[in-house]
Amino acid sequence: ILNVEQSPQSLHVQEGDSTNFTCSFPSSNFYALHWYRWETAKSPEALFVMTLNGDEKKKGRISATLNTKEGYSYLYIKGSQPEDSATYLCASYNNNDMRFGAGTRLTVKP
Amino acid sequence: GAVVSQHPSRVICKSGTSVKIECRSLDFQATTMFWYRQFPKKSLMLMATSNEGSKATYEQGVEKDKFLINHASLTLSTLTVTSAHPEDSSFYICSAQTWSSPLHFGNGTRLTVT
Repeated sequence: ILNVEQSPQSLHVQEGDSTNFTCSFPSSNFYALHWYRWETAKSPEALFVMTLNGDEKKKGRISATLNTKEGYSYLYIKGSQPEDSATYLCASYNNNDMRFGAGTRLTVKP
Repeated sequence: GAVVSQHPSRVICKSGTSVKIECRSLDFQATTMFWYRQFPKKSLMLMATSNEGSKATYEQGVEKDKFLINHASLTLSTLTVTSAHPEDSSFYICSAQTWSSPLHFGNGTRLTVT
């Protein structure tokens, strides 16, 4: 059974602050790591799909890194804005199994 | 971009009735479709994985006979909540995927069982 963990569970930052959070996942039989931005009762939005150790991806002010050997990924948000407030989910694919983490709930205060 | 249509977006039904939710990939063929449920103040819970033409794989604790999943084609999967009870009230969401692509999610279905 996969165990995907995200930390912190919630995060409150001021507008303009940069922030980051972690997704840890099993490194065995790893295939891919996905990051999603999710506002409750809406459809999650795909941010990144990462497969290779050392991968770094960037989309605007959001970037992510991947370490498949130790089983973790960081998501960074530079200069947070109130519209960045959402839950950020990661999902790990290992073999044919896929699991979501519980998410990090980010609140950006104006 | 890839679009997944989920229908209905909201449904209210009486206890004991069955409800069918459809998930369609509109512009791509989905090798795999997933069904999730969101419990209040919690993340998405994967209910089952559905591959076209084969039986769905259910997660531990999910009743196969209660949540019937059919994946008849590469563009359509359905989830039927049978003999619904108030505790089945929840937000159900599907996602679809082609090989090595990110998940494309439907907009979800809010089910309320009275």
